[in-house]
Amino acid sequence: GQQLNQSPQSMFIQEGEDVSMNCTSSSIFNTWLWYKQDPGEGPVLLIALYKAGELTSNGRLTAQFGITRKDSFLNISASIPSDVGIYFCAGLGRTSYDKVIFGPGTSLSVIP
Amino acid sequence: DTEVTQTPKHLVMGMTNKKSLKCEQHMGHRAMYWYKQKAKKPPELMFVYSYEKLSINESVPSRFSPECPNSSLLNLHLHALQPEDSALYLCASSRVGAYEQYFGPGTRLTVT
Repeated sequence: GQQLNQSPQSMFIQEGEDVSMNCTSSSIFNTWLWYKQDPGEGPVLLIALYKAGELTSNGRLTAQFGITRKDSFLNISASIPSDVGIYFCAGLGRTSYDKVIFGPGTSLSVIP
Repeated sequence: DTEVTQTPKHLVMGMTNKKSLKCEQHMGHRAMYWYKQKAKKPPELMFVYSYEKLSINESVPSRFSPECPNSSLLNLHLHALQPEDSALYLCASSRVGAYEQYFGPGTRLTVT
């Protein structure tokens, strides 16, 4: 079936640094979503991408829909302590109208 | 109102108990979802309701029984669970056909 891979699996960065993480698949996806999950909470949608090559920003966050439609990238600029959490990418392909496939997540720790 | 609420926040139940999880949204969304999430793993889809009708059941054991009594409410009835069913149960909602799903905070379930 369709699977997503995320890298890195975890990262520890200094406050103020920029962060990059990515999500890849062997399958084509039509939509990419990026979620952040804080401990004990549900995932919160950060950015949604709908077109290959699309670059979208949300405050300090920027995400891109890869041109091959098999990958997506999330960048966080000038990290702050509240950026700590798990970042999940999620994709929707052509096989199911309602089914979102989640990647395994990237755990981000920010050192003040 | 962009909130999905879930009750209870925590639930401990024995293997012979019957309990229910509740989810509510007032965003006018007609698609609602149940996910199961184990620690340090992504959410796994269990059920999807569209227009109050079950549209996807991801081969979930019958000890989990979903119910959508109206367009704002989603229940998950639990009976004769196993310890391995202990997890965070997340509810989400979206417009039908929309990719952005909005998650509730989850119910942390422990089966003893």
